[in-house]
Amino acid sequence: AQTVTQSQPEMSVQEAETVTLSCTYDTSESDYYLFWYKQPPSRQMILVIRQEAYKQQNATENRFSVNFQKAAKSFSLKISDSQLGDAAMYFCAYRTGFLLTGANSKLTFGKGITLSVRP
Amino acid sequence: EAQVTQNPRYLITVTGKKLTVTCSQNMNHEYMSWYRQDPGLGLRQIYYSMNVEVTDKGDVPEGYKVSRKEKRNFPLILESPSPNQTSLYFCASSFTLGTGENEQFFGPGTRLTVL
Repeated sequence: AQTVTQSQPEMSVQEAETVTLSCTYDTSESDYYLFWYKQPPSRQMILVIRQEAYKQQNATENRFSVNFQKAAKSFSLKISDSQLGDAAMYFCAYRTGFLLTGANSKLTFGKGITLSVRP
Repeated sequence: EAQVTQNPRYLITVTGKKLTVTCSQNMNHEYMSWYRQDPGLGLRQIYYSMNVEVTDKGDVPEGYKVSRKEKRNFPLILESPSPNQTSLYFCASSFTLGTGENEQFFGPGTRLTVL
């Protein structure tokens, strides 16, 4: 079974600075997707960024980028130029890259990390 | 607007009083799923459905039931709620044709408190 680990429960960053959130995972599959979700105080789950295991290039979405290290099974999220609106809980998640057949269709989440942004 | 809706958004109930949390999506998704979110545990899957009349247990199904009579709806039923089911519940949906790249869309969440 796949597992996702976020070992830091909380982090803090100064506004306009850069912060990196860590995530490691374990899987025996060769193809998979990794995601970062943002959960602001409204509790809505918002997809921030997605990375396919077969793509060597790290995904980037505006101020958000990932450092995907497949051999190390590491998937960290870097937030540049942090803004007050980035304050939220962030979840790392895993999903199979193979055909969705049932039990493999779920997202496996880490425990989450609470990011605070200091003005 | 493409969305997943859940009702109610907040619910306080007492032990043993049956309740249903509704979930509906307007994106013609085959796959629907329920997760619960608890502090320090992340989100865990309760039940899922690959299509109409096809449902199966997730990682934490005890104390819950689901049904999928229509493609758009996937209600979560607590026949006899207990305090350990106090949690934040999310419904999610996605297409199944293809791989895990298919984005899962989440509902707004339902905060349930069982006294």
